Amino acid sequence: SQTIHQWPATLVQPVGSPLSLECTVEGTSNPNLYWYRQAAGRGLQLLFYSVGIGQISSEVPQNLSASRPQDRQFILSSKKLLLSDSGFYLCGVRVNSYEQYFGPGTRLTVT
Amino acid sequence: SQKIEQNSEALNIQEGKTATLTCNYTNYSPAYLQWYRQDPGRGPVFLLLIRENEKEKRKERLKVTFDTTLKQSLFHITASQPADSATYLCAGNNAGNMLTFGGGTRLMVKP
Repeated sequence: SQTIHQWPATLVQPVGSPLSLECTVEGTSNPNLYWYRQAAGRGLQLLFYSVGIGQISSEVPQNLSASRPQDRQFILSSKKLLLSDSGFYLCGVRVNSYEQYFGPGTRLTVT
Repeated sequence: SQKIEQNSEALNIQEGKTATLTCNYTNYSPAYLQWYRQDPGRGPVFLLLIRENEKEKRKERLKVTFDTTLKQSLFHITASQPADSATYLCAGNNAGNMLTFGGGTRLMVKP
């Protein structure tokens, strides 16, 4: 079975600073990878997904970007954080085209 | 737009009773619905998937129904336990086979 790692677990960053969140996956090859954001008490909002190395699709236009430099590595970045970027960021892997599995998440607070 | 809606109010029940959570979908017809459990500060965990041609699916103390007439799925936990306390998320696939998530319902089971 697959294991999803995310780091850091928590992050406090000032407005205007850059961001880099990393997700790595073990136990599967050529996975479909996803970045979601969850605001407090809300559902998951899909930000980006990738079906292969270098292939990124954006669901929501914003100041975030994603990259997939290796098969099992997915990175979420920003050049300048906004207050509205605060939230719980989850990396996901799709299994069997149906079930979605998630990493432990990164809690980002922009101050 | 396509929506998955869940009761945002917390559901409080007594241990041993059956918990019933509701998920309604609007403006589209998902081919399947999924239910996830999310504990505070953790990523969601996949529980069950039910397809539109399936009326009901069971897994241990869990039961899910899919009513295409009412555009609704019900999620039941029988003989509930305090350990079942968590937020439960409903998700439906959309045209691109991405998942649209509801906001979740928080369940509190009191001993």
